[in-house]
Amino acid sequence: AQKITQTQPGMFVQEKEAVTLDCTYDTSDQSYGLFWYKQPSSGEMIFLIYQGSYDEQNATEGRYSLNFQKARKSANLVISASQLGDSAMYFCAMRGPQGAQKLVFGQGTRLTINP
Amino acid sequence: NAGVTQTPKFQVLKTGQSMTLQCAQDMNHNSMYWYRQDPGMGLRLIYYSASEGTTDKGEVPNGYNVSRLNKREFSLRLESAAPSQTSVYFCASSEQGFNQPQHFGDGTRLSIL
Repeated sequence: AQKITQTQPGMFVQEKEAVTLDCTYDTSDQSYGLFWYKQPSSGEMIFLIYQGSYDEQNATEGRYSLNFQKARKSANLVISASQLGDSAMYFCAMRGPQGAQKLVFGQGTRLTINP
Repeated sequence: NAGVTQTPKFQVLKTGQSMTLQCAQDMNHNSMYWYRQDPGMGLRLIYYSASEGTTDKGEVPNGYNVSRLNKREFSLRLESAAPSQTSVYFCASSEQGFNQPQHFGDGTRLSIL
């Protein structure tokens, strides 16, 4: 079975600082994908970034990057130069190769950016 | 640039009433999913459809039924609503493959009184 653990229920960061949101995972699959989603207060789920289990380079998308440490089974999201609009819930999720290929979500981290 | 469209956005039901949540995607994706989001519990899979003509149970299917009407549309039905089904419901679609992101609708906020 797959499991995602996000140990930070809430984080408070000053605007323009970098922030790291933690995510650890557990799976017996050799092939899998790791995803981060943002959920602002308006409620929609926005896909941010993807990391494949066989990718040797850490994924980057604009101000978002993923610190992927496969041996430690961690996939932390790094947001550089945080902005007020980054305040939201952030979910780490994984998807395996079997069956439904469903997304398994962590419980999320609520990020608040202070001016 | 619609993506995944869910209707309605909000609904209040009385216990025992029935209703259908609608979902349509315009990205030509084979796979579609229904999740529910409860406070502090992330999203959990209710049902999914790997391709047109197939549906299967997810993690929390009790009290729900689904229909994959065609490749675009995937509906979720509550036959006899219960207060425990008060939640936010999300529909998602994706290409098949563990490296493909799922794209979500804006959600339906459902309250059962």
